[in-house]
Amino acid sequence: DAKTTQPPSMDCAEGRAANLPCNHSTISGNEYVYWYRQIHSQGPQYIIHGLKNNETNEMASLIITEDRKSSTLILPHATLRDTAVYYCIPRPVYTGTASKLTFGTGTRLQVTL
Amino acid sequence: DTEVTQTPKHLVMGMTNKKSLKCEQHMGHRAMYWYKQKAKKPPELMFVYSYEKLSINESVPSRFSPECPNSSLLNLHLHALQPEDSALYLCASSQEAVMYEQYFGPGTRLTVT
Repeated sequence: DAKTTQPPSMDCAEGRAANLPCNHSTISGNEYVYWYRQIHSQGPQYIIHGLKNNETNEMASLIITEDRKSSTLILPHATLRDTAVYYCIPRPVYTGTASKLTFGTGTRLQVTL
Repeated sequence: DTEVTQTPKHLVMGMTNKKSLKCEQHMGHRAMYWYKQKAKKPPELMFVYSYEKLSINESVPSRFSPECPNSSLLNLHLHALQPEDSALYLCASSQEAVMYEQYFGPGTRLTVT
């Protein structure tokens, strides 16, 4: 499995874009990058995933560098409710066996007024 | 309905007690998971069920006994636990066991006295 490096914490002002980086320099060609977040006292929540191209959904955008060694999750207009721990998780495209999500230490995002 | 429910929300039990945690989903998902999360740590996978059969056991001690009576229900039977087993126990489900988009419940906070 690819190793990831994320900053332990970040701050963002409400209404501004939150850009959360993840380094996954050992990622292999058949591994997606998944992002989850965990708001305090709740279960983790799936946000988005991508393989090569940039992706966008109603929650966030995911920018993956051309060499795929790093990615950035973008919350375009952060609100106080986005305060959470954000996890970047590389996973194989398909292994034929049950999926195992391995959570790293993540980035604790604090959105402030 | 994209919800995974877990009961109870909180549980306090003695080391000689027997108790069970319950998880339910009505999304038609065929894979269900148990995770354990200690304070200030990321979730760690315990068990994976696929089509009601145990697919992965991450070397969990036998005092934790999972059960999947049907595709919507997942139980975790607890017996002779230790104080270090106190944690947040999270249940999740996904459409199939090979898919990494998992839906998590809010968890059961367990305290062993």
